[in-house]
Amino acid sequence: EAQVTQNPRYLITVTGKKLTVTCSQNMNHEYMSWYRQDPGLGLRQIYYSMNVEVTDKGDVPEGYKVSRKEKRNFPLILESPSPNQTSLYFCASSLEGLSTEAFFGQGTRLTVV
Amino acid sequence: AQKVTQAQTEISVVEKEDVTLDCVYETRDTTYYLFWYKQPPSGELVFLIRRNSFDEQNEISGRYSWNFQKSTSSFNFTITASQVVDSAVYFCALSEASGTYKYIFGTGTRLKVLA
Repeated sequence: EAQVTQNPRYLITVTGKKLTVTCSQNMNHEYMSWYRQDPGLGLRQIYYSMNVEVTDKGDVPEGYKVSRKEKRNFPLILESPSPNQTSLYFCASSLEGLSTEAFFGQGTRLTVV
Repeated sequence: AQKVTQAQTEISVVEKEDVTLDCVYETRDTTYYLFWYKQPPSGELVFLIRRNSFDEQNEISGRYSWNFQKSTSSFNFTITASQVVDSAVYFCALSEASGTYKYIFGTGTRLKVLA
C-alpha cells in the first residue's frame, strides 16, 4: 500500500530535549516536505527536499533541521524544542514535484512543555 | 505574492443541505495547480481533487463538485445533500510550476453537518 509513515503519532516532551520525528514513503517520490499546522494559520512549510541530499528552507524553518540521506526518508529534527513548537506536524511527498497532489503522513501531534 | 484565502472559517448546515466552500487564490504564474483536501476529526489529510490552470472544466464526483473560474481566481467546492460524515476541515491549496517549492494552503473551513 502506497503510504507516508510518520512516527511517533503523539509526543510530549520537555523544553530543550532533542527529538526526531521520522518520515518514510514507499512510493519512490523525489519531493518531500514538512508542514506544521496551527489553529487559524493553516499548514505552513518548514523544509522541503527535491531529492537526496537536496534540502531547503520553507516559510518557518527556525528551530528545525532536516536531512535526506535516502530517497524514502526525511526526518525532522528539533535540536532544542521550545513551547512555541507545540503543533501538529505533517510530512508529505509527491511524485512530480508540485504538479501532482501531495500524499501526507498521519500527522504527529507534538507538545513541548 | 502567492496566497490562498478561505474566508469562511466555520460553516454549519443541517444534513441534506447543499453547501459551498469558497477558495480564492493569488498567483503570478500562468501554470499552477489547485487542490482540495479534507481533514476529518481523526486528523489525517485526504486528497480530494487536483486542477491545473489550463483546465477550467468543472468536475463532479458523486455529491462533490468543483467550480474553477480563472476570471475570479476562485476554486469553489460544493457538497450536495450534505451528510454528517462530511463534517471536517477542508483546505484549499495552490502550487506553482515555477519559483516556490511548496503547496500554499488556505487557513481551512470547518464544516459541521448537523443531523
